[in-house]
Amino acid sequence: KAGVTQTPRYLIKTRGQQVTLSCSPISGHRSVSWYQQTPGQGLQFLFEYFSETQRNKGNFPGRFSGRQFSNSRSEMNVSTLELGDSALYLCASSLTSGGSSYEQYFGPGTRLTVT
Amino acid sequence: AQKVTQAQTEISVVEKEDVTLDCVYETRDTTYYLFWYKQPPSGELVFLIRRNSFDEQNEISGRYSWNFQKSTSSFNFTITASQVVDSAVYFCALSPPPGSARQLTFGSGTQLTVLP
Repeated sequence: KAGVTQTPRYLIKTRGQQVTLSCSPISGHRSVSWYQQTPGQGLQFLFEYFSETQRNKGNFPGRFSGRQFSNSRSEMNVSTLELGDSALYLCASSLTSGGSSYEQYFGPGTRLTVT
Repeated sequence: AQKVTQAQTEISVVEKEDVTLDCVYETRDTTYYLFWYKQPPSGELVFLIRRNSFDEQNEISGRYSWNFQKSTSSFNFTITASQVVDSAVYFCALSPPPGSARQLTFGSGTQLTVLP
């Protein structure tokens, strides 16, 4: 079974621009979560989508948004990029609630550099 | 609020040594899950183990073992006979009970370097 895929893997943007990152979960997984990883703040939860609905959002400004499509693929968008948005953005997928399949499986990440 | 503390920022051992990575957590939930993930230089977080809060039985998987002690809010990870390929950053994480949003709270990670 294919794992979580994220595109693009690397991205360089300029301050003020916006960016869209994509995540395709493991087949059959309906929950997609996004995390930001930086050297200073570590791994921080951004938001989770389940059945096209945002279930939870971390402590990030409104410039960070996301959505999920009917095929469970998810995108996150960052508008008006700031230098501090430079980070590794990780996507994770998991099965629906219930049972023992509560693990989140992570993709390889998108390395975003803002200049 | 949930919190995970990994006090060991960096650990360096020589191959074949045993090494234990510490993890202490805080939560008000009575039911929760604990996880360990490995992050090699490639960046992808690799799932290692999940532990339910109501199951304090220790677990061994090959050279890996985990010691969960609810009384001390600790979930430590031991690698026996370490190998160079074990070099990575290891993260301990905590999540709320099933039915809640899947929000993992991560520790700051422990960089493990295994020298040949």
